[in-house]
Amino acid sequence: AQRVTQPEKLLSVFKGAPVELKCNYSYSGSPELFWYVQYSRQRLQLLLRHISRESIKGFTADLNKGETSFHLKKPFAQEEDSAMYYCALSGPGSARQLTFGSGTQLTVLP
Amino acid sequence: GAVVSQHPSRVICKSGTSVKIECRSLDFQATTMFWYRQFPKQSLMLMATSNEGSKATYEQGVEKDKFLINHASLTLSTLTVTSAHPEDSSFYICSARDRLQSGELFFGEGSRLTVL
Repeated sequence: AQRVTQPEKLLSVFKGAPVELKCNYSYSGSPELFWYVQYSRQRLQLLLRHISRESIKGFTADLNKGETSFHLKKPFAQEEDSAMYYCALSGPGSARQLTFGSGTQLTVLP
Repeated sequence: GAVVSQHPSRVICKSGTSVKIECRSLDFQATTMFWYRQFPKQSLMLMATSNEGSKATYEQGVEKDKFLINHASLTLSTLTVTSAHPEDSSFYICSARDRLQSGELFFGEGSRLTVL
């Protein structure tokens, strides 16, 4: 069965500090992984997906198949990065449902 | 960007009544929509996959007769919580997959259901 694990429920860093949100997955196949972000009182939105290998808002994430990880990183956190971050994995089949991790609440302190 | 709209955003109902939540893709066609449930401070749990013109596929443990899903058009899916009870109180979120734009998923703003 596929599973996404985000070990940290809460993470606080100071503005300008590096930040890493951890995500590990379990999947018997070739995974498609995503990071979604939910700012306060807003809907969930896609931050980035591993297949596009792009950097959004300074965030990057590299798929490490050996460690089955897809950690989200940013070298210099900003206060506006404070939000809930969800790692998600796309499942098999034509529907490609998303399985979400439990989420990490990131707070960037001034 | 593409927008998914949910209505109502908040609903309060009495125990035993049924509540319908709509999910619309406003500027794109979605052959597939998904319904999630989110408990406070917890992750999104997939309830069912809704396919236009066919029956929904429910996840294990989700009662089909309790949570009726209809996806009658390429832009609308509805979730009806039948005979609602207080334990059905939750945040329900839909997402729609744009069949043209590389299948990207877009999320609705969510609907908070409170059953008294």
